[in-house]
Amino acid sequence: ETGVTQTPRHLVMGMTNKKSLKCEQHLGHNAMYWYKQSAKKPLELMFVYNFKEQTENNSVPSRFSPECPNSSHLFLHLHTLQPEDSALYLCASSQEDSGDGTQYFGPGTRLLVL
Amino acid sequence: SQKIEQNSEALNIQEGKTATLTCNYTNYSPAYLQWYRQDPGRGPVFLLLIRENEKEKRKERLKVTFDTTLKQSLFHITASQPADSATYLCALVKTGNQFYFGTGTSLTVIP
Repeated sequence: ETGVTQTPRHLVMGMTNKKSLKCEQHLGHNAMYWYKQSAKKPLELMFVYNFKEQTENNSVPSRFSPECPNSSHLFLHLHTLQPEDSALYLCASSQEDSGDGTQYFGPGTRLLVL
Repeated sequence: SQKIEQNSEALNIQEGKTATLTCNYTNYSPAYLQWYRQDPGRGPVFLLLIRENEKEKRKERLKVTFDTTLKQSLFHITASQPADSATYLCALVKTGNQFYFGTGTSLTVIP
């Protein structure tokens, strides 16, 4: 496979469930990101990992917990979510020393919290 | 905080015409601007980048301009085709690769 892959593509969960989103990049990049995309809102950057180290956490609630075991894999662990957390969750990767930071996105996970 | 505004939520245009999308920003000047295309059910795909010291960039039927005085970028698609129908996102990138995305403009090219 090439590019950035995400699983699952769709997820429905109750507010008491625990689930995880998975992202894998096959581009040899050294930075990975989680974004949230809600209808009629800009893409919101949630977490950034450079060289497996978390470098940014934009005031994301603790019910979202990222994990980056290596430079190719990124997880987003979810627990006790709220209905307003329903959105498209996008993973992206980039090469930090490329000079332009171009983001390569995965197809996203469409999350519905009931 | 940085604010990005894209001219309209939706833009309809006749096939063959030039589509022009607008991206305005406030506060800090970016190191560069990027434009992405997003199709339904998919992640955004990078199209073009323009740096703060560049006025214009072209790639095939695409053209981007950047006016740091007006704090505005224009994205043009010439000879538009129905296959160009998608949502187009503007992203302002500050030094240190801090990304700020707009809400996007949904373009529909009518045959």
